Amino acid sequence: EPEVTQTPSHQVTQMGQEVILRCVPISNHLYFYWYRQILGQKVEFLVSFYNNEISEKSEIFDDQFSVERPDGSNFTLKIRSTKLEDSAMYFCASSEVGRGDNSPLHFGNGTRLTVT
Amino acid sequence: EDKVVQSPLSLVVHEGDTVTLNCSYEVTNFRSLLWYKQEKKAPTFLFMLTSSGIEKKSGRLSSILDKKELFSILNITATQTGDSAVYLCAPGSGGSNYKLTFGKGTLLTVNP
Repeated sequence: EPEVTQTPSHQVTQMGQEVILRCVPISNHLYFYWYRQILGQKVEFLVSFYNNEISEKSEIFDDQFSVERPDGSNFTLKIRSTKLEDSAMYFCASSEVGRGDNSPLHFGNGTRLTVT
Repeated sequence: EDKVVQSPLSLVVHEGDTVTLNCSYEVTNFRSLLWYKQEKKAPTFLFMLTSSGIEKKSGRLSSILDKKELFSILNITATQTGDSAVYLCAPGSGGSNYKLTFGKGTLLTVNP
């Protein structure tokens, strides 16, 4: 069965450094998402992306965050200057269509980001 | 603000028991409700519910949605140790800006 793949599985970085988290969505999917889960807390929506544009973003997704689809297969999340509170599991997800009536989101295994 | 409440937060049962997990929600522009199973890492898709009163089944798991009462349940019959996981309820809202709002989850532990 097709999968969403994420790399790396674990990233350790120092505060203030830039990180790029990478995702390869399922190949025929058109809508892409990033969610995050701080240890012990809920999974939270960050951003949705369609047709090379952000469709929706949450309050968490401030100017330090950006997303990009640099080619036909990858979808990246960049954090420009990491803070301690950015430490979390970051999940990429994709769906075939975006209206949510009949196309579930499929999640990758996540990248655990640790900011020291 | 969108709100999702799952109960119970945790549950310990013995193999063979039947469990019912609950989810109540309040979201703006509701489109669908999804259930996921989260073991170590990725939430794994279980069900997507869009219509009230229509039960969806997959093996020992089933789920139903009540859009009037803003409520969904997930049933697992004849539980097995492999069912041990966190079960997440996530109503989806929006149109072209569709997104999921997750509950805290129910931690299910199935003992042999």
